[in-house]
Amino acid sequence: ETGVTQTPRHLVMGMTNKKSLKCEQHLGHNAMYWYKQSAKKPLELMFVYSLEERVENNSVPSRFSPECPNSSHLFLHLHTLQPEDSALYLCASSQGVRDEPQHFGDGTRLSIL
Amino acid sequence: RKEVEQDPGPFNVPEGATVAFNCTYSNSASQSFFWYRQDCRKEPKLLMSVYSSGNEDGRFTAQLNRASQYISLLIRDSKLSDSATYLCAVANSWGKLQFGAGTQVVVTP
Repeated sequence: ETGVTQTPRHLVMGMTNKKSLKCEQHLGHNAMYWYKQSAKKPLELMFVYSLEERVENNSVPSRFSPECPNSSHLFLHLHTLQPEDSALYLCASSQGVRDEPQHFGDGTRLSIL
Repeated sequence: RKEVEQDPGPFNVPEGATVAFNCTYSNSASQSFFWYRQDCRKEPKLLMSVYSSGNEDGRFTAQLNRASQYISLLIRDSKLSDSATYLCAVANSWGKLQFGAGTQVVVTP
């Protein structure tokens, strides 16, 4: 069983839809992250949560809205997305935000029509 | 200059050969360093942390050169299953990880 689980694995949505990505970690970690990975580009950090508090918002458009109800769960709410938002969205977790390696979920491959 | 840079490759390596590649970083205050492996259309998986004194895990050896601001990964006795994209990750003093775009390695029979 993977330590970080993401659902759905694939998502196709129109620009006017509202959907949510879910991430759950079973590793007892205190920090969770959302990344965006576009083709041939480095992973882009979007949000960081430490002990359920958002500690970083990396200039992400407001059409992406994160939610962290507890230290094991992280959501990314999507609305009015653009075609350039099509990418692989990866969730990760780590024991702390300093000096600790991050462990990734399988990712959600998002396609915006 | 990008904060973390990698040669995209591909590095075409005959099975059994050795391959090595580097990752340069621009922030001299960087504290922690990691190598991840990412298979096509899969998530990155932690391969190894990189320690100041260098470290080895089986056929994989990681080195850190703080003076020249780069880390390296060496793979000995390459296997077909080593074909993947290798991402380096560098953490600053706040722990924020910056990833390189990856180096593609293709091991051929």
